[in-house]
Amino acid sequence: ETGVTQSPTHLIKTRGQQVTLRCSSQSGHNTVSWYQQALGQGPQFIFQYYREEENGRGNFPPRFSGLQFPNYSSELNVNALELDDSALYLCASSRGGNNEKLFFGSGTQLSVL
Amino acid sequence: QQQVKQSPQSLIVQKGGIPIINCAYENTAFDYFPWYQQFPGKGPALLIAIRPDVSEKKEGRFTISFNKSAKQFSLHIMDSQPGDSATYFCAASDNAGNMLTFGGGTRLMVKP
Repeated sequence: ETGVTQSPTHLIKTRGQQVTLRCSSQSGHNTVSWYQQALGQGPQFIFQYYREEENGRGNFPPRFSGLQFPNYSSELNVNALELDDSALYLCASSRGGNNEKLFFGSGTQLSVL
Repeated sequence: QQQVKQSPQSLIVQKGGIPIINCAYENTAFDYFPWYQQFPGKGPALLIAIRPDVSEKKEGRFTISFNKSAKQFSLHIMDSQPGDSATYFCAASDNAGNMLTFGGGTRLMVKP
């Protein structure tokens, strides 16, 4: 059983650029959630995808968008990057459109300069 | 109110001690309360979780105590070991089930 994998592990961008982060869910999982974790803080919910549809969204602006593919992998896209977007972006997979027994990847560390 | 407040921010105990981490919430619609453990460079990993119909749950050396009337819950780590040194997060969600609200984290150090 493969775990949750995220790519890339680290990324440096400049303000105003766009970024795409990728996540492969654990085998057998059809739900992917994305979280943003600023340094020294708890993760904050961005959105969840279940069966290729957005299934809930946190308090993030529309420039944060996502996709889920038929194989349940997912992408997080962030447009018009701001300095405050610098954070660890975590992907988590689960079954059934809920958040019980979330399995997190190791994250993508994004630095915006 | 969606906040989950966690304390303390950091904690140092000796090996064998019993660190206790506390969380409080306001939203009475919350009905699922997990604890996650995070090591540096890794994502959070689920340790143990509880629902409000029980007041205590044990899994190995980890125990959750839950006080529904006070809207508080806590994590106890029995016989703590240096390998337990990590950051611990409490979280909560309601029955819509698609979003976890995390506390701010507790950095635990267990000294040998």
